[in-house]
Amino acid sequence: EAQVTQNPRYLITVTGKKLTVTCSQNMNHEYMSWYRQDPGLGLRQIYYSMNVEVTDKGDVPEGYKVSRKEKRNFPLILESPSPNQTSLYFCASRRTGAGNTIYFGEGSWLTVV
Amino acid sequence: QKEVEQDPGPLSVPEGAIVSLNCTYSNSAFQYFMWYRQYSRKGPELLMYTYSSGNKEDGRFTAQVDKSSKYISLFIRDSQPSDSATYLCAMSLNLYNQGGKLIFGQGTELSVKP
Repeated sequence: EAQVTQNPRYLITVTGKKLTVTCSQNMNHEYMSWYRQDPGLGLRQIYYSMNVEVTDKGDVPEGYKVSRKEKRNFPLILESPSPNQTSLYFCASRRTGAGNTIYFGEGSWLTVV
Repeated sequence: QKEVEQDPGPLSVPEGAIVSLNCTYSNSAFQYFMWYRQYSRKGPELLMYTYSSGNKEDGRFTAQVDKSSKYISLFIRDSQPSDSATYLCAMSLNLYNQGGKLIFGQGTELSVKP
């Protein structure tokens, strides 16, 4: 089954404790990205990657890092989480040349206290 | 002013009704238009995808794009309780600007009552 898998799905952590949200897709997609979803603000792009070792900032990259060492994986790293990073996070992927049909994972609920 | 405006609702309709969901946008350069459905605690699921103007139909769903008015619509015919979800419109400039970044509306919460 074609899917984008995120882990963890739910996490409560404390300010300053580094964490990583993993994302893996099994569709051999070149493009992957991270979005966050907040009430009243909708979904906003954090980072994106057009292929292995090619990453770039989206609209709200502050406080986040990413890496793309393998085509299937695109982890989101919060080096020093703060309460304003409490949000619902989605990983997404798309095949190059497939228009703009982007597929999303199930989401990761992150609470920073 | 947001680039994409969408009435958050909630919208409540009886089963079998025709539902009309709409978004307006300000950037005339948008070329790709999408509708996503999001169930509670789930990821957005792509429903309809349209490039440039025109209509597209898929089963009970019809998407319309009117670029002259900067207005897109999603119609759901014979609505079912299983259609109860949040509907997100999304659009993008092209496939290259920030990797084809999607700009989303806030989403409209729809409830279809049996």
